[in-house]
Amino acid sequence: GEDVEQSLFLSVREGDSSVINCTYTDSSSTYLYWYKQEPGAGLQLLTYIFSNMDMKQDQRLTVLLNKKDKHLSLRIADTQTGDSAIYFCAERGTYNNNDMRFGAGTRLTVKP
Amino acid sequence: SQTIHQWPATLVQPVGSPLSLECTVEGTSNPNLYWYRQAAGRGLQLLFYSVGIGQISSEVPQNLSASRPQDRQFILSSKKLLLSDSGFYLCAWSVAATTEAFFGQGTRLTVV
Repeated sequence: GEDVEQSLFLSVREGDSSVINCTYTDSSSTYLYWYKQEPGAGLQLLTYIFSNMDMKQDQRLTVLLNKKDKHLSLRIADTQTGDSAIYFCAERGTYNNNDMRFGAGTRLTVKP
Repeated sequence: SQTIHQWPATLVQPVGSPLSLECTVEGTSNPNLYWYRQAAGRGLQLLFYSVGIGQISSEVPQNLSASRPQDRQFILSSKKLLLSDSGFYLCAWSVAATTEAFFGQGTRLTVV
């Protein structure tokens, strides 16, 4: 099957920028997503990007997509302790539009 | 507005016992419905999806089954639980041909 990979852990200091990276293998991906999961909770959609876009910015969040390298990143500016959570990268391809494939999640820890 | 309800939030069941997790969606009609499982430290695995009443697609062979008796109700079941069924189960919905999936709060199942 197609894979979505991301590093498992990231630790930053409060006020710094966080960059969470993700790679995927399905070249037919149409939409790519970032979800946030706080402890014991479901997934909250943070943002998404369509595959014909290179960048999307939404307040403190910037998504960069390098379609050639199949690389997606999420940058959180001025990271706060409330940003501590697990961040999932996901993609929806055209081979099966009903399946969103998720990475294993990156646990972001923000230190004061 | 649309909302998704999933219950129970936590469940401890003995090996060999049956399982029934329920998910309902409000505020939309004919949603696509999904059951995902999140094993500890791993990403989300799609278990089942449904595009309509009585229509269930299974992504992976397993000890679980799903049913959709009503348009906005999705049920995950098992006749006899295994230890390996422990995990965090997430229900989600989406509108076909749109981008994001919306998740419930999840059910943490521990099989003992």
